[in-house]
Amino acid sequence: DQQVKQNSPSLSVQEGRISILNCDYTNSMFDYFLWYKKYPAEGPTFLISISSIKDKNEDGRFTVFLNKSAKHLSLHIVPSQPGDSAVYFCAASVIAFGNEKLTFGTGTRLTIIP
Amino acid sequence: GAGVSQSPRYKVAKRGQDVALRCDPISGHVSLFWYQQALGQGPEFLTYFQNEAQLDKSGLPSDRFFAERPEGSVSTLKIQRTQQEDSAVYLCASSPLAGGPYEQYFGPGTRLTVT
Repeated sequence: DQQVKQNSPSLSVQEGRISILNCDYTNSMFDYFLWYKKYPAEGPTFLISISSIKDKNEDGRFTVFLNKSAKHLSLHIVPSQPGDSAVYFCAASVIAFGNEKLTFGTGTRLTIIP
Repeated sequence: GAGVSQSPRYKVAKRGQDVALRCDPISGHVSLFWYQQALGQGPEFLTYFQNEAQLDKSGLPSDRFFAERPEGSVSTLKIQRTQQEDSAVYLCASSPLAGGPYEQYFGPGTRLTVT
């Protein structure tokens, strides 16, 4: 039962263009969403998060959009840089019940082409 | 200060052996989580500590898995009688407070290979 889904295993984007990574979820109890970035042989690194009371959160080149009715969120990176090449994981949790454990998607490997 | 550290970084065990994986969270962090990441998958939750109290162990796959955090800082994940399906990267994460939402800081993981 995959509650958080990332349907694109990989994505290639030209340097300088916009990268859009997508994530869908099935559990309507999720109220907090995060994106993590992972390089090989390292642990995931937090990028950006959004609470379910918002529909957009922006931090520099990274913007996360949340569409609760569609149970969909996306991460926009603009402009894309070579250092953005990594695996990106979408994660969700149910904070309202004090349950902070993260449920992750399977990841999308982003490759930025110079 | 230092981030989350884990040791060993790599562990090869023969089937049936016991293993112990260590996590040193960021100093002062209240919450500590263990996740298991199989090849090509996202991390999956195993267990959660708030200080020394294990509040959630619903993700532990069998009674061969045991975790502790006796003094509310360092944590150990122990796997008894390892099986091939236990081969995975084991990730530890910590966060500064409880009651969320707070980002979790991950260690580099321990790659366990059971032969």
